[in-house]
Amino acid sequence: EAGVAQSPRYKIIEKRQSVAFWCNPISGHATLYWYQQILGQGPKLLIQFQNNGVVDDSQLPKDRFSAERLKGVDSTLKIQPAKLEDSAVYLCASSSSSWGTNEQFFGPGTRLTVL
Amino acid sequence: GESVGLHLPTLSVQEGDNSIINCAYSNSASDYFIWYKQESGKGPQFIIDIRSNMDKRQGQRVTVLLNKTVKHLSLQIAATQPGDSAVYFCAEQGSGGSYIPTFGRGTSLIVHP
Repeated sequence: EAGVAQSPRYKIIEKRQSVAFWCNPISGHATLYWYQQILGQGPKLLIQFQNNGVVDDSQLPKDRFSAERLKGVDSTLKIQPAKLEDSAVYLCASSSSSWGTNEQFFGPGTRLTVL
Repeated sequence: GESVGLHLPTLSVQEGDNSIINCAYSNSASDYFIWYKQESGKGPQFIIDIRSNMDKRQGQRVTVLLNKTVKHLSLQIAATQPGDSAVYFCAEQGSGGSYIPTFGRGTSLIVHP
């Protein structure tokens, strides 16, 4: 079974630039999550999708971050404009249940460096 | 605010020893807990979970203990191997009906051969 795919793996941009990350979840998984993991910390949930609908985006900085999952499969996370404090690993995860008690499968992440 | 935290940032053990990683949580309403392992350059990997109606759950070489009285969670790894070297996170979900997972900071486990 293929795992969660993410691209790019690494991205370096200057502050105020825009960046987008892509995630392809495990086939058949209805629930998709985006996390931000700052160095030395645990992942922090940014947004949770159930199919193509948003379940929770309470921790997403909506003034600069946006995410979509238009067809209920792939998802993109965008930052516009980026700030220095956005430097982190952005993890995508998927699970087969929206109730969160099923195992989440994580992708390898995209490491973003904002200069 | 509510938080999930770990007692020790780094744990060093010898190969073959048993390892114990601890986690404290502050939200008494949490009803589901998960341990994840994260190797360098990879995403977290599910290890084992436990619901609040249990106090112990065993997997292959791993055991999770939950003490709701003192709001403490531990992960025990038997016969620790070099491949167990990683950062271990505890996470809690389900408090107040929310299924947003909240991760602690992490403990780095170093296994010396």
